[in-house]
Amino acid sequence: QSVLTQPPSASGTPGQRVTISCSGSSSNIGSNTVNWYQQLPGTAPKLLIYSNNQRPSGVPDRFSGSKSGTSASLAISGLQSEDEADYYCAAWDDSLNGRYWVFGGGTKLTVL
Amino acid sequence: QVQLQESGPGLVKPSQTLSLTCTVSGGSISSGGYYWSWIRQHPGKGLEWIGYIYYSGSTYYNPSLKSRVTISVDTSKNQFSLKLSSVTAADTAVYYCARHIKHTYYDFIDYWGQGTLVTVSS
Repeated sequence: QSVLTQPPSASGTPGQRVTISCSGSSSNIGSNTVNWYQQLPGTAPKLLIYSNNQRPSGVPDRFSGSKSGTSASLAISGLQSEDEADYYCAAWDDSLNGRYWVFGGGTKLTVL
Repeated sequence: QVQLQESGPGLVKPSQTLSLTCTVSGGSISSGGYYWSWIRQHPGKGLEWIGYIYYSGSTYYNPSLKSRVTISVDTSKNQFSLKLSSVTAADTAVYYCARHIKHTYYDFIDYWGQGTLVTVSS
């Protein structure tokens, strides 16, 4: 069971806006920034959003991130077929258990 | 362009030690501001952070794996390595090496290796 909680699946039709949630706690999302990674089938993950809402160079502005309290969200607007992938949130966890990176369980996005 | 390449046995017997090496090209592993990570992904499952190392040798490990994991760095070869002891079938996964950039204002993985499947089986 992952430390960060994501819905296992999400879907939308081309052109729609979809959001993916990521829920954590005060020791991770509540006190540290959130990154989002996109993993296309059969490939390594790729950075999509860092520091809650920053897009690396080359990532379309259709992708946006936000954070509030102990939860974060990834929004994809103008959904395209090539957005079909797995999406993971990640944050640093600093608790009595230790200090380490934690990931969400991943959300499989299907473009209908 | 930084590139990372994992190498090591694709098949390990139960109770033995899994050993992987990541060779970094296009950049120096001794550059400050970067940690060098190992992450794994069980078949059909999500990502699990194993740990990372700074070029100086400072390490952080996932508490759930800490007792079995050792990550080391060889700056002369521009490589870092993973050893996972006492493996079981539950350690069968794709293992990724990655570069983790750490800055005052941001902290994320910017480069990943292609991943290597390690199967634990007799």
